[in-house]
Amino acid sequence: GDSVTQMEGPVTLSEEAFLTINCTYTATGYPSLFWYVQYPGEGLQLLLKATKADDKGSNKGFEATYRKETTSFHLEKGSVQVSDSAVYFCALKDGYSTLTFGKGTMLLVSP
Amino acid sequence: GAGVSQSPRYKVAKRGQDVALRCDPISGHVSLFWYQQALGQGPEFLTYFQNEAQLDKSGLPSDRFFAERPEGSVSTLKIQRTQQEDSAVYLCASSLEGVASNQPQHFGDGTRLSIL
Repeated sequence: GDSVTQMEGPVTLSEEAFLTINCTYTATGYPSLFWYVQYPGEGLQLLLKATKADDKGSNKGFEATYRKETTSFHLEKGSVQVSDSAVYFCALKDGYSTLTFGKGTMLLVSP
Repeated sequence: GAGVSQSPRYKVAKRGQDVALRCDPISGHVSLFWYQQALGQGPEFLTYFQNEAQLDKSGLPSDRFFAERPEGSVSTLKIQRTQQEDSAVYLCASSLEGVASNQPQHFGDGTRLSIL
């Protein structure tokens, strides 16, 4: 079945540092890939998505590129802010299926 | 409001009690999803509605879990004879089109259920 594997957290960074959160997936078809962000006490918000190989999703300074050859969708940001502290979930959607999520990676950014 | 609304935000129940969780999706959204999120884990799919039809309930963990969306709008997730392992955050999401589309799912803030 479909699955998503994310790097374990927490990831702790200083403000303005470079961020990478790794995500790899297993799917039977050609899935769409997503990153969601969850702030404390809130639901999930879609951060970015990519629907086919080599697509790059981007939003709010975050980027992720759909790499079919390595089955990866790593999240990156060049300069993190304290306000980026949250839990980040990588997810896939394969055809008629619903979303399959990874376990989440907590990001903590200190001033 | 314009987003997905869930109520109550918090629910505490004693083991063995029945609970009902409500989801009010974005107006006009065809699809409605329920997920269960255990502490420190990602959301896991429970069930999916397209309008009033429950097209997939493969994620419901037992027959104590029941969901309905009788008029194709508001949905209720009911858990009968609650057990401690039912403690989790229950998330509802809706999307504009059917599950085959790539329309994004919009999530509510969830209901945190604690079973004592």
